[in-house]
Amino acid sequence: QKEVEQNSGPLSVPEGAIASLNCTYSDRGSQSFFWYRQYSGKSPELIMSIYSNGDKEDGRFTAQLNKASQYVSLLIRDSQPSDSATYLCAVRYGGYNKLIFGAGTRLAVHP
Amino acid sequence: DTAVSQTPKYLVTQMGNDKSIKCEQNLGHDTMYWYKQDSKKFLKIMFSYNNKELIINETVPNRFSPKSPDKAHLNLHINSLELGDSAVYFCASSQGDRGGADTQYFGPGTRLTVL
Repeated sequence: QKEVEQNSGPLSVPEGAIASLNCTYSDRGSQSFFWYRQYSGKSPELIMSIYSNGDKEDGRFTAQLNKASQYVSLLIRDSQPSDSATYLCAVRYGGYNKLIFGAGTRLAVHP
Repeated sequence: DTAVSQTPKYLVTQMGNDKSIKCEQNLGHDTMYWYKQDSKKFLKIMFSYNNKELIINETVPNRFSPKSPDKAHLNLHINSLELGDSAVYFCASSQGDRGGADTQYFGPGTRLTVL
């Protein structure tokens, strides 16, 4: 059974702080990892994708991947109240782009 | 201009009824998906079609039957609806590149409530 684990939260951070979201996965063969953001009542939207060990930065977002530890994280710098949402970690399995999602971490950024 | 659209947005129906949800994408993608998101917000893949061919078929009751008339459309028909079918159903599409990055774009979702 392929599994993706996330802490459900809520993770509460003050405005301007760094939010750190974590995800672990069970299949060592996984190669592609994604972070989606989902606002309440809306559809998931892709924030970051990462395929190689190390860090990948895009604006205020940094994705970190450690395949040896089967761990992927998302850092949000200078957190804003508009970042308050559920963040879904997804891992791609197999050749047909099958995504397995974690349960999501709810982030609350307070002014 | 909507990339992935679904109809209806809301669907309220009685147990035992049969209902359909429609999905259309105008991105020119080859692959489309159906996901179910339950009350605990767990998003789970149900089906995927690539160029009208079924390529992912998860463990889903056979009351659920997808149909893809062309690669821009993927519909979901549900027979004999049960209370446990209540959820938000998301359609998604992607280019279908198996070898590399392949971003899935999600539709707005259909909230199904079975009474």
